[in-house]
Amino acid sequence: DADVTQTPRNRITKTGKRIMLECSQTKGHDRMYWYRQDPGLGLQLIYYSFDVKDINKGEISDGYSVSRQAQAKFSLSLESAIPNQTALYFCATSDSGLNYGYTFGSGTRLTVV
Amino acid sequence: QKEVEQNSGPLSVPEGAIASLNCTYSDRGSQSFFWYRQYSGKSPELIMFIYSNGDKEDGRFTAQLNKASQYVSLLIRDSQPSDSATYLCAVNRGHTGGFKTIFGAGTRLFVKA
Repeated sequence: DADVTQTPRNRITKTGKRIMLECSQTKGHDRMYWYRQDPGLGLQLIYYSFDVKDINKGEISDGYSVSRQAQAKFSLSLESAIPNQTALYFCATSDSGLNYGYTFGSGTRLTVV
Repeated sequence: QKEVEQNSGPLSVPEGAIASLNCTYSDRGSQSFFWYRQYSGKSPELIMFIYSNGDKEDGRFTAQLNKASQYVSLLIRDSQPSDSATYLCAVNRGHTGGFKTIFGAGTRLFVKA
C-alpha cells in the first residue's frame, strides 16, 4: 500500500457541486498538506495541518475547506465547485523540522465542467 | 519577484552528459533546500535535500548550495532518458510559528537517447 493514499484519482464534476477529496497516510507524520498544481504555476498551498487540532490556511484557501479527522486522515472539500478549480490536487505529509521533505500522494485530477 | 525561481526549460541534454539545474531564492533566512523529481502526470518525489553550503552527493545526483549567492543547483551525472522529468526546487524558510515551504515552478529536463 502507498504511504499516502488519495481518493478519488480522477473526478469530473459539475459547477456548483460540493466535492470532497480524501487523503490518508501510514507514515505516522503529524503534518499534512493540500496543494494544487496548475501548468506553469507550480504547487500552491491550499491548507495545512500540523496536528489534529491545528488547521491553517495556505495561499489559496478561498473556496476550499478541510477536515482533519484523525492523525492519518485529512480531507479537502470544494464547497461549490467552479471551472477554475480544475487542477491536479496533491496531499502531502512531512515530519516536523526544517530538514524533512514531503511525501506526496498520487494526486487527484479534478475537472469542473 | 518570485521567492523561488527556476528556468522553466526545457533543458535538453544528450544521454551520458551532465544535466545542471539551477534555482535561486530571495529570502536570505532560508535554511533548507530540496529537489523533487516529477514525471508527467505523477506526484513529486524527493530526491535530494541540503542545508549546508557546499556539495552533497548521492549516487548520480549532486546538490550544491551557495547561501551567499542564494542559489542551489542539482547536477545529474551520466544522464539517462529515464531522468526526463520536471525538477522542482523547494526552500524552507522561517515563518510565524515555524517555517514555510516555497516551491519553484520547476524545470523540465529532456535527456535524448
